[in-house]
Amino acid sequence: DAGVIQSPRHEVTEMGQEVTLRCKPISGHDYLFWYRQTMMRGLELLIYFNNNVPIDDSGMPEDRFSAKMPNASFSTLKIQPSEPRDSAVYFCASRTGKETQYFGPGTRLLVL
Amino acid sequence: GENVEQHPSTLSVQEGDSAVIKCTYSDSASNYFPWYKQELGKGPQLIIDIRSNVGEKKDQRIAVTLNKTAKHFSLHITETQPEDSAVYFCAAAGWNNNDMRFGAGTRLTVKP
Repeated sequence: DAGVIQSPRHEVTEMGQEVTLRCKPISGHDYLFWYRQTMMRGLELLIYFNNNVPIDDSGMPEDRFSAKMPNASFSTLKIQPSEPRDSAVYFCASRTGKETQYFGPGTRLLVL
Repeated sequence: GENVEQHPSTLSVQEGDSAVIKCTYSDSASNYFPWYKQELGKGPQLIIDIRSNVGEKKDQRIAVTLNKTAKHFSLHITETQPEDSAVYFCAAAGWNNNDMRFGAGTRLTVKP
């Protein structure tokens, strides 16, 4: 298995632009998680899905952030409009049942 | 909610020595405690985990101990090697493994 796949790996954009991050979970995994990692706040859970349904989005910082999972093999995290303080590494992770989470390589986002 | 504290934030050891990283958690309902290793430019990778019905678990040079009464758990790496150099994160989660909270991380450097 290729593991969790994220794209793009790096994104540089200007403040105010829309940013879309993509994730393909491991095949067969029914849970998908989006995390944000910064030096100041560490790893934070933003939202997670179970069987494509959003279960807990209490970690989403603002209405500018939205996430979707249209099918079992694809999820997006969108920031619109982006701000410099959104600069971080965004990770997607997936798991099945009560097993551990497997993380993707992350998307490094820089908002200028 | 759960709060996980991790110490030390940085740790430098000589190759061959042991390294110990400690974490405490606040929620007595937490019962799953994974440890992740994150190398530069990569996502966190699970190295070992323990559940609350076990006090200790070992996998070659890595071991984890859990004291539920005191709400703390530790990672022990013996015979350290330069390739062990990375950032290590502890985490704690409840019964459904979804509400995982991470420690701030420990940057381990193993000097050859």
